[in-house]
Amino acid sequence: QSALTQPRSVSGSPGQSVTISCTGTSSDIGGYDYVAWYQQSPGKAPKLMIYDVNKRPSGVPDRFSGSKSGNTASLTISGLQTDDEADYYCSSYGGTYTFVVFGGGTKLTVL
Amino acid sequence: QVQLVESGGGVVQPGGSLTLSCAASGFTFSRNAMLWVRQAPGKGLDWVALIGNDGSDKYYADSVKGRFTISRDTSKNTLYLQMINLRTEDTAVYYCVKDLHWGAGDYWGQGTLVSVSS
Repeated sequence: QSALTQPRSVSGSPGQSVTISCTGTSSDIGGYDYVAWYQQSPGKAPKLMIYDVNKRPSGVPDRFSGSKSGNTASLTISGLQTDDEADYYCSSYGGTYTFVVFGGGTKLTVL
Repeated sequence: QVQLVESGGGVVQPGGSLTLSCAASGFTFSRNAMLWVRQAPGKGLDWVALIGNDGSDKYYADSVKGRFTISRDTSKNTLYLQMINLRTEDTAVYYCVKDLHWGAGDYWGQGTLVSVSS
């Protein structure tokens, strides 16, 4: 069982928006503004999409945005494209005992 | 450009040992913490270990504590993961990851497969 809880799957149509949630505790997501989101396509290494809750690395489209409220973080993808179909994972700094915690992953299907 | 190239994966029997290496290039290796993250077949991401930029701070997941050791050699720009007493549940693709900060990985290697089986 993963430390952070994500929905197993979400779906949307091209052009729509979808939001993926990631729920933790006050020891990880709720305690720090160090949430990251990754996109993983089949057979590929994960790609960093969001860090520090809502910052985008260079090259990531602004269709991807992150937010946090209490112990829950969210990734919103607007203007869905077929290329966005992938698995998405959240992670958080978890303190010096468990430095990094991951969510179980969410499969995004673009219908 | 940043490159992380893992090596050392393979098939090993339960109770066996293996050492993974990750050759880093394209950035100043001594400035960044580094992580190992693994992914069992068909499963999600699982953090394994993190080492600080100068090698003095090391953190491990409970599942590998006492069996895995993370280390780095700045003169060789190489990250290591020594694994002993391997279990079947350690079977996974192991990724070498460059830390942006606070455990967020901005560059990932292509991964190396470790298979623990009798």
